[in-house]
Amino acid sequence: DIVMTQSPDSLAVSLGERATINCKSSQSVLYRSDNKNYLAWYQQKAGQPPKLLISWASTRESGVPDRFRGSGSGTDFTLTISSLQAEDVAVYYCQQYYSNLTFGGGTKVEIK
Amino acid sequence: EVQLVESGGGLVQPGRSLRLSCAASGFTFENYAMHWVRQAPGKGLEWVSGITWNSRSIGYADSVKGRFTISRDNAKNSLYLQMDSLRAEDTALYYCVKDDQSSTYWYFHVWGRGTLVTVSS
Repeated sequence: DIVMTQSPDSLAVSLGERATINCKSSQSVLYRSDNKNYLAWYQQKAGQPPKLLISWASTRESGVPDRFRGSGSGTDFTLTISSLQAEDVAVYYCQQYYSNLTFGGGTKVEIK
Repeated sequence: EVQLVESGGGLVQPGRSLRLSCAASGFTFENYAMHWVRQAPGKGLEWVSGITWNSRSIGYADSVKGRFTISRDNAKNSLYLQMDSLRAEDTALYYCVKDDQSSTYWYFHVWGRGTLVTVSS
C-alpha cells in the first residue's frame, strides 16, 4: 500500500497568517495517462465528519473558500491556508486514490 | 440534499457480529461507488471497504479482510457492512461515504455522521 506521511502533526498559526501542511506519498500518485495526481484533502472539525476540500491535488470543491489551495505533484503535496480564520481550526487529512485508498495521519491546526 | 444516515452500531462482545446499514437519499444511489471509513476514538481515518455501483468490484482493508462483508441494495438505496469476528481494535466510528465515481474508487465525496461500534466484554 502507498503510505501517506503528513507534517507537521500540529501547528499553531495566528489569525490572518498562512498555514502550510505537507503530505508525502511513498510512491508517485501521478497517473501518466491522464496527467492527474490522485490526491485529495479533507477537513475535519471537532465532532463532525470529514469534509472534502480538494480533489486531484488542486481542484477545490464547490463552496470551499479560495484561501484553501492545494499544490504539488508526484510524491510531494501541500495544503495552504493563505489567511487563517477561526473557523479553519480542524484536523486536515490527505488521501491518495492512485492505488487502493490510504490517508495521511492528519495535521491539527490551531490558533496561536 | 445528499444525505447518508448510518445505523446499527452499538456495544458488542469480542468474537460476535454486527451489521451496519446506511440509508442514502438526495442522489441517484445506483450511479456511485460507496465506502465505509472508520475512525477509532481520538485517531485518524482508515478506509475499511468499498463497492462499485454494480457490486462487481469490492475491496477491503487488510485489517478486515475475511471478517467484514460489504454489500448494497440499489433498489433500497442502501449500503451495508456485515462485521463478523469482531475485535477490540474494530472499535470506531463507522462512516458511510459516497464516492464521486461509479466503477472505481476515487475520493470520499460526501460523508454521513457515523455510527459508533464498541467491541468490549
